[in-house]
Amino acid sequence: NAGVTQTPKFRVLKTGQSMTLLCAQDMNHEYMYWYRQDPGMGLRLIHYSVGEGTTAKGEVPDGYNVSRLKKQNFLLGLESAAPSQTSVYFCASRSTSGTIHGYTFGSGTRLTVV
Amino acid sequence: GEDVEQSLFLSVREGDSSVINCTYTDSSSTYLYWYKQEPGAGLQLLTYIFSNMDMKQDQRLTVLLNKKDKHLSLRIADTQTGDSAIYFCAESMMNDKIIFGKGTRLHILP
Repeated sequence: NAGVTQTPKFRVLKTGQSMTLLCAQDMNHEYMYWYRQDPGMGLRLIHYSVGEGTTAKGEVPDGYNVSRLKKQNFLLGLESAAPSQTSVYFCASRSTSGTIHGYTFGSGTRLTVV
Repeated sequence: GEDVEQSLFLSVREGDSSVINCTYTDSSSTYLYWYKQEPGAGLQLLTYIFSNMDMKQDQRLTVLLNKKDKHLSLRIADTQTGDSAIYFCAESMMNDKIIFGKGTRLHILP
């Protein structure tokens, strides 16, 4: 089992460029999440999904879009990148079955917007 | 509102015990978690405690929960250099989300 896989691991974008971050999980989890991590800010929720075909806004959704066309994949898009979106992005998934209901995280994507 | 608070830094000498504290606001939380993040990596679930428990021990780790004060702590006995990391406290909400604290960076002194 690979768990949660994020691609790419690193990326440098110019202001105004677009890109898509891919998150894939092989655990058949229903819920998936995109967070950004910035120094001193902890983890902030961008968007999340409670199932295939559904998405919802989190704490900091502006400037991002998401899609969950397949249960195993959750895509995060930046239509026009800005320097304020320089951050480390983490994807997580979660099962609704079992007793723990904790998250499984990917290893992160480090994005720099210049 | 929903909030999880924890101090940002803690320095401990190798071999001593580390105690990381956390306060949360939602009394209806079902699970409380401790996650560990090593440099350049994602968060990994370290341990958890169900809200009807007041203590959980797992090898060098002890979790204490005071529901009355909404206070959670993580004690690491015999702290080692490999324990150097950021530790996140988190609570499970009644909706679909888990709320994280900002993380406590644990620094080990030789």
